[in-house]
Amino acid sequence: GEDVEQSLFLSVREGDSSVINCTYTDSSSTYLYWYKQEPGAGLQLLTYIFSNMDMKQDQRLTVLLNKKDKHLSLRIADTQTGDSAIYFCAETSNYGGSQGNLIFGKGTKLSVKP
Amino acid sequence: GAVVSQHPSRVICKSGTSVKIECRSLDFQATTMFWYRQFPKKSLMLMATSNEGSKATYEQGVEKDKFLINHASLTLSTLTVTSAHPEDSSFYICSADLGAEAFFGQGTRLTVV
Repeated sequence: GEDVEQSLFLSVREGDSSVINCTYTDSSSTYLYWYKQEPGAGLQLLTYIFSNMDMKQDQRLTVLLNKKDKHLSLRIADTQTGDSAIYFCAETSNYGGSQGNLIFGKGTKLSVKP
Repeated sequence: GAVVSQHPSRVICKSGTSVKIECRSLDFQATTMFWYRQFPKKSLMLMATSNEGSKATYEQGVEKDKFLINHASLTLSTLTVTSAHPEDSSFYICSADLGAEAFFGQGTRLTVV
């Protein structure tokens, strides 16, 4: 079956870089996503990467994909207090009848200290 | 840990019929649940925020008469796709918050033929 794992907590100081890691099991995933959820709000798509890419950069966000190790990471440069939220990694499932379904990790709670 | 159960996981229906999807928080009470839809090769889109005992809050562009949301109890929210059409075929997923954490249902793959 498919599984997405990520560490549950990360604490950093304002101005530092944050790196949130994720591992997944479905090697045939087409897209991998990072979502952000602020308290009381729904998910927001932060960024995504197509499976044939190694890296994608978008302003303060850098996504790295290691397909061999099935490892995805999200780096946030110059982390701000407003970045405090839960970050979810997700892959698209390509197993059997679940093709195209999203499989989420449990989320990493990022706390940014001033 | 907390569990959110979504049912059914897969449904095929005829065009013009209605389909109900259930989202249950199994071991906690959820005053707020979220409903999302995934478009092919695209991201998850928040459709609406379901509030227990009151009307759901729909995102812009989501037809509230077509996607009926009912959150009648603290453990159950339902999404009914009314008069379904093939373009409604998609993956629908719900989530519920427990404190600062969010828990997702398994998702429902809807196919309208």
